[in-house]
Amino acid sequence: DGGITQSPKYLFRKEGQNVTLSCEQNLNHDAMYWYRQDPGQGLRLIYYSQIVNDFQKGDIAEGYSVSREKKESFPLTVTSAQKNPTAFYLCASSRGQAPTEAFFGQGTRLTVV
Amino acid sequence: AQSVTQLGSHVSVSEGALVLLRCNYSSSVPPYLFWYVQYPNQGLQLLLKYTSAATLVKGINDFEAEFKKSETSFHLTKPSAHMSDAAEYFCAVKDNAGNMLTFGGGTRLMVKP
Repeated sequence: DGGITQSPKYLFRKEGQNVTLSCEQNLNHDAMYWYRQDPGQGLRLIYYSQIVNDFQKGDIAEGYSVSREKKESFPLTVTSAQKNPTAFYLCASSRGQAPTEAFFGQGTRLTVV
Repeated sequence: AQSVTQLGSHVSVSEGALVLLRCNYSSSVPPYLFWYVQYPNQGLQLLLKYTSAATLVKGINDFEAEFKKSETSFHLTKPSAHMSDAAEYFCAVKDNAGNMLTFGGGTRLMVKP
């Protein structure tokens, strides 16, 4: 079955550590996205990539980094520079051309302990 | 820049009652509009989308939405609420020049027995 897989589902991080969230898709989509979700704030765009080896900052990129070495993979690293990383992170992909919708993974809940 | 406003962060209805979730957008060009649903600790699932064809769009689970350009609205309705409809609903917009979805803040729907 085609879809987007995020792992792990739950992740705990100590303060000062970097952690990497995985996102893999087998939909052959060109575009991939990372969103952060906090209660009452909807979804905010962290980074997006429209093509392999290229990505752009979204609205809240500070303290995060990404790579897009393969079409099917778009990992997100939450660095120690991100002061409040506890949140629900959602990865999405789309064919990249309006009006197509985005397809979402099941999310990763990151908690700083 | 485009934006989306969802009026009412929480909406409560009785089982069997009409569901109405409000969404207004601002966009300089005719947009593409989407409604997504999210169940707890899961990703987003597409309910329906407007792509400049019919202004009344039917989606899954008897949901529908009407695009009203004069009101810049895309409200989501369902004639009869079911307990399983309890979830968070997000309206999103994408303009025809870009590839990114901009989300509203979300509306949590509660269904009372």
